[in-house]
Amino acid sequence: DTAVSQTPKYLVTQMGNDKSIKCEQNLGHDTMYWYKQDSKKFLKIMFSYNNKELIINETVPNRFSPKSPDKAHLNLHINSLELGDSAVYFCASSAMGGQGNSPLHFGNGTRLTVT
Amino acid sequence: AQSVTQLGSHVSVSEGALVLLRCNYSSSVPPYLFWYVQYPNQGLQLLLKYTTGATLVKGINGFEAEFKKSETSFHLTKPSAHMSDAAEYFCAVSSFDSWGKLQFGAGTQVVVTP
Repeated sequence: DTAVSQTPKYLVTQMGNDKSIKCEQNLGHDTMYWYKQDSKKFLKIMFSYNNKELIINETVPNRFSPKSPDKAHLNLHINSLELGDSAVYFCASSAMGGQGNSPLHFGNGTRLTVT
Repeated sequence: AQSVTQLGSHVSVSEGALVLLRCNYSSSVPPYLFWYVQYPNQGLQLLLKYTTGATLVKGINGFEAEFKKSETSFHLTKPSAHMSDAAEYFCAVSSFDSWGKLQFGAGTQVVVTP
């Protein structure tokens, strides 16, 4: 069983479109995240949710809107896609997220290409 | 504020040779330190972590790292490289109240040659 699963794995779309990425974890964790990995493989946090509550919003444009319907799911909706949004987006989860010593469990990523 | 510097974006090692990946951190509070590995087209997998206690930590796949506060370092080593160790390695730092916000280094790509 996949611990953190995200769909789709690949997403190719045109500028201006709206797209969503879904994430689910079956680890019973209470905290979930979105991280962005750019073309140089640099990783940066975008959002974190603890028990469906937004905890971290790391100066991400308003076009990005996360939604957590329950603590096992965290989706990412992106409006009006731009070329610069092309990246790999990773979902992750952790237990006791408020304590920074809990390791993150990552999904396999969604490679978003905006043309 | 916290940050991580990984020295060397690419490291090439011979199969059977020592693997040494360097990581230095900056943190104004006691750090939690992590090493993650990323294989091609996959997510990140935890290799090991340091939070408190013993400064020499052992991880999966024969890797270990030592926390040296005086040197603000957390270098990763493996005595004998295997072909399967070829991957991207990331050092990361967080702290007690970080809510899972990891500051990652830029990564080091390891190539293993026969």
